[in-house]
Amino acid sequence: AQSVTQLDSHVSVSEGTPVLLRCNYSSSYSPSLFWYVQHPNKGLQLLLKYTSAATLVKGINGFEAEFKKSETSFHLTKPSAHMSDAAEYFCVVSGRRGGADGLTFGKGTHLIIQP
Amino acid sequence: NAGVTQTPKFQVLKTGQSMTLQCAQDMNHNSMYWYRQDPGMGLRLIYYSASEGTTDKGEVPNGYNVSRLNKREFSLRLESAAPSQTSVYFCASSVFWEGQGIYEQYFGPGTRLTVT
Repeated sequence: AQSVTQLDSHVSVSEGTPVLLRCNYSSSYSPSLFWYVQHPNKGLQLLLKYTSAATLVKGINGFEAEFKKSETSFHLTKPSAHMSDAAEYFCVVSGRRGGADGLTFGKGTHLIIQP
Repeated sequence: NAGVTQTPKFQVLKTGQSMTLQCAQDMNHNSMYWYRQDPGMGLRLIYYSASEGTTDKGEVPNGYNVSRLNKREFSLRLESAAPSQTSVYFCASSVFWEGQGIYEQYFGPGTRLTVT
């Protein structure tokens, strides 16, 4: 079975400073990994996905994530935070069938941007 | 292209009442899913349907039933609602990217259900 641990339930940064949201995963096979974002009272939007093609993955809105197999990590970063980045972020891993049988979500990290 | 749509957006039920949450997608996807989201828990899979005519249990199926009516529609039924089913429910459908070997999921806007 696979699992995801998001190491911080809340992260607070100042506008214009870097963002780091940490995620560790556990899987008995080569996983597919995703980051989703959820703005208040909205649905979920895919930020980026890792599919083994490249370890550094670029997503939308300036976010990127690096897959590190040796550390079983998939941390999300952004060089400079914007007020519009304030949201809930979910690290997600697919099952053996690549997601056909659903996804496993982390518990989420609430990103707060201070003006 | 509406994507994934869900109805209703909000619902309040009394304990013991029944209701059906509707979900439809217009992207011709084979696979569809129902998740629930509770504070501090992320999303948890209730049921999924890999193709028309098939359904399978996810992580938290107790108290729910599903119907894959056709390729477009996947409904979730609560036969006898309980306060523990107060949650936000998300429907999703997925496309298989053969070159990448993954299913990418697209989510609906959610249904906020309160059971009193």
